[in-house]
Amino acid sequence: RKEVEQDPGPFNVPEGATVAFNCTYSNSASQSFFWYRQDCRKEPKLLMSVYSSGNEDGRFTAQLNRASQYISLLIRDSKLSDSATYLCVVINNAGNMLTFGGGTRLMVKP
Amino acid sequence: DGGITQSPKYLFRKEGQNVTLSCEQNLNHDAMYWYRQDPGQGLRLIYYSQIVNDFQKGDIAEGYSVSREKKESFPLTVTSAQKNPTAFYLCASSIGRAGGGNQPQHFGDGTRLSIL
Repeated sequence: RKEVEQDPGPFNVPEGATVAFNCTYSNSASQSFFWYRQDCRKEPKLLMSVYSSGNEDGRFTAQLNRASQYISLLIRDSKLSDSATYLCVVINNAGNMLTFGGGTRLMVKP
Repeated sequence: DGGITQSPKYLFRKEGQNVTLSCEQNLNHDAMYWYRQDPGQGLRLIYYSQIVNDFQKGDIAEGYSVSREKKESFPLTVTSAQKNPTAFYLCASSIGRAGGGNQPQHFGDGTRLSIL
């Protein structure tokens, strides 16, 4: 089993739709989690951190489920500009290693 | 502006040649990282450095070498031993080791390396 797994997609959704991605991790002692966004042929950019209590930033909501070992990203009212690959990142319990998921590709259509 | 600068943006390598990718940051970050990304794939860690004059191998270090003589700089050399070097190379930095627990990494805009 991979340390961090994501459904590669693509997720094809119409504008205005709500879409959610999950990311599972294998190390139950992992301590920190992030979502990054990567546009085609560009570098990843931090989208949001994922806190234990869940957190929201505008149309984006991130949640952590430690019992089932996954994090999620919910995007409401999808925009064309949300089309990108979304990478989840997990930091191990020692705090010395980041592991990236393979990314989930989202395509928002008019 | 503070940030991470990678150069060159595009690089071509001949057979048997070593090439060096530059990564400079002015964020005063202690930790720096090199990743490789192949088309349609996630990021794989090549090397990382948590402090000057110290670095550790990542998951795919074979065929690569690094140095960390200055805090701001973490160059990556792709040696002739790396038989499949064509990829997108990303450098990142963070405040402390693996981001000091809660601090994320910030990325440069990458170098695309191709074989001639």
